[in-house]
Amino acid sequence: AQKITQTQPGMFVQEKEAVTLDCTYDTSDPSYGLFWYKQPSSGEMIFLIYQGSYDQQNATEGRYSLNFQKARKSANLVISASQLGDSAMYFCAMRENGFQKLVFGTGTRLLVSP
Amino acid sequence: EAQVTQNPRYLITVTGKKLTVTCSQNMNHEYMSWYRQDPGLGLRQIYYSMNVEVTDKGDVPEGYKVSRKEKRNFPLILESPSPNQTSLYFCASSLSPAGGSYEQYFGPGTRLTVT
Repeated sequence: AQKITQTQPGMFVQEKEAVTLDCTYDTSDPSYGLFWYKQPSSGEMIFLIYQGSYDQQNATEGRYSLNFQKARKSANLVISASQLGDSAMYFCAMRENGFQKLVFGTGTRLLVSP
Repeated sequence: EAQVTQNPRYLITVTGKKLTVTCSQNMNHEYMSWYRQDPGLGLRQIYYSMNVEVTDKGDVPEGYKVSRKEKRNFPLILESPSPNQTSLYFCASSLSPAGGSYEQYFGPGTRLTVT
């Protein structure tokens, strides 16, 4: 069963607008962590933001915020005021407590236009 | 500078010719892992290591070997590469293997083509 689902293969947004990238997850473990990574065309994986399953507040890091809806098992990434440099592939990932790996979604390619 | 390094960054090889992709981190991390990235599949874990001399299989270990003789190094070995191992490979490390908020730091990636 797919543990991390990213249903948007591609997204387009205009510069300075906000965009939401969707991520749903599946786990029966009450303790887990959710991560978002950015992969620009150069290929490296850049950590953006983390949300723990017991965290009461949504995580924020600068222009990135994570809209965590635990009951819906969703962890959407919100990028405010998009910039041209935000054009990249974005991956949602989950780590379950006690497991030694990140499970990744298939990614969403974001294109920011001027 | 804290970093994970991989070598080579690009490699084209032929079927059956043994190769090693090196991975080294300078952050004294216990946990290290190898992933492969394929279009439409995201990243999938190949092997991981919780510490020196402790390694275990991930989701797609077939055709790969690893070793962890030193804390900083975690090489990936393809004894007899095949075309289906053509992929982008990432090494990653993190401070704690037991979950938590510790992010995994990724190397720059190694693009391997097996003909």
